[in-house]
Amino acid sequence: DAGVIQSPRHEVTEMGQEVTLRCKPISGHDYLFWYRQTMMRGLELLIYFNNNVPIDDSGMPEDRFSAKMPNASFSTLKIQPSEPRDSAVYFCATSPGETQYFGPGTRLLVL
Amino acid sequence: GDSVTQMEGPVTLSEEAFLTINCTYTATGYPSLFWYVQYPGEGLQLLLKATKADDKGSNKGFEATYRKETTSFHLEKGSVQVSDSAVYFCALGRGTGANSKLTFGKGITLSVRP
Repeated sequence: DAGVIQSPRHEVTEMGQEVTLRCKPISGHDYLFWYRQTMMRGLELLIYFNNNVPIDDSGMPEDRFSAKMPNASFSTLKIQPSEPRDSAVYFCATSPGETQYFGPGTRLLVL
Repeated sequence: GDSVTQMEGPVTLSEEAFLTINCTYTATGYPSLFWYVQYPGEGLQLLLKATKADDKGSNKGFEATYRKETTSFHLEKGSVQVSDSAVYFCALGRGTGANSKLTFGKGITLSVRP
């Protein structure tokens, strides 16, 4: 299995631009999680899905952030408009039940 | 609510030294406990886990025992290597369903020098 696939691996953009991060989960995993990691705040859970349905989005920082999972093999995290404080590494993780498997992350820099 | 507390870091050791990284948790009931490791530039990887009291998880020479009486899940390794340099996260899980998310500690950076 290829594991969790995230794209792009690196993204540099300017403040105000829209950013879309993508995740392809491991086949058969019913749960998908989006995390953000920074030096200041550590690892934060933003949102998670079960069978493509959002279960808990209480970690989404504000309305500029949105996440979708249109089918079992694809999810997106969108930031519009982006701000410099959104600079972080964004991880997607998937799970068949309890143990989570992380992707390599997308390193986002907003100038 | 659930919480995980890890010892303050960073930790620097010489190769072949003994490693202990403390982790305690606050939770009701019987959660599962995990250690994840993050190597530089990579995502987190499951290192080991334990699902009930007195279980010992082990992998790659690392061990941790689920101690319900002390609400702890300390990570140990008898002889660390330079390749063990990474960030280590303790986490607590509640199984499947609406509570399937993990609660992570803040992580601790381990550096092993030759």
